[in-house]
Amino acid sequence: QSALTQSRSVSGSPGQSVTISCTGTSSDVGGFNYVSWYQQHPGKAPKLMIFDVSKRPSGVPDRFSGSKSGNTASLTISGLQAEDEADYYCCSYASTYRLVFGGGTKLTVL
Amino acid sequence: EVQLVESGGGSVQPGGSLRLSCAASGFTFSNYWMTWVRQAPGKGLEWVANIKQDGSEKYYVDSVKGRFTISRDNAKNSLSLQMDSLRAEDMAVYYCARAIYGRANDYWGQGTLVTVSS
Repeated sequence: QSALTQSRSVSGSPGQSVTISCTGTSSDVGGFNYVSWYQQHPGKAPKLMIFDVSKRPSGVPDRFSGSKSGNTASLTISGLQAEDEADYYCCSYASTYRLVFGGGTKLTVL
Repeated sequence: EVQLVESGGGSVQPGGSLRLSCAASGFTFSNYWMTWVRQAPGKGLEWVANIKQDGSEKYYVDSVKGRFTISRDNAKNSLSLQMDSLRAEDMAVYYCARAIYGRANDYWGQGTLVTVSS
């Protein structure tokens, strides 16, 4: 149950688009269409932004989108806003009802 | 409104035990898988355990197997995590979360801090 691999940090200016990647294996990301993404602001609980690779929960802006290719999943945030600055975590179903998270990516809005 | 409220965190010595609770409201608790996720200070999220709607299936991360036990009381809308033989590396904020078919978590509590130190 090794953690998924995410880049430590990413940055972008307001209005730009950024993509955060999440690399796993054929036993997790590549094996199931059950990747989710969470946003976490400092001192706060995580918030679900994307589930099942590309589905958005009610209330999440359509600026947030998810995709997957092989063993790598991606979260794209378009029209970057100041409030998007946060830590982002990917998570994948890894086997029978077991989950594995990525190490997290810090998004800085310049 | 969905609410999840954790309690039971605190300070314990290595080898000790602690029981965390999570009170759920605003949804039909018995219809959902539930999850515990933890976050060590300054670190990332780590999935800890999942439990099926009726409590008949439970799954754990390898590092807590045999030491932690997840359980639920659907009559009381309550989720628990019994933590035994605690280690320094178990120190973290523990979150209770509602699960979407056991594969993603759409609502989270505010977390409860567990400190393991001599």
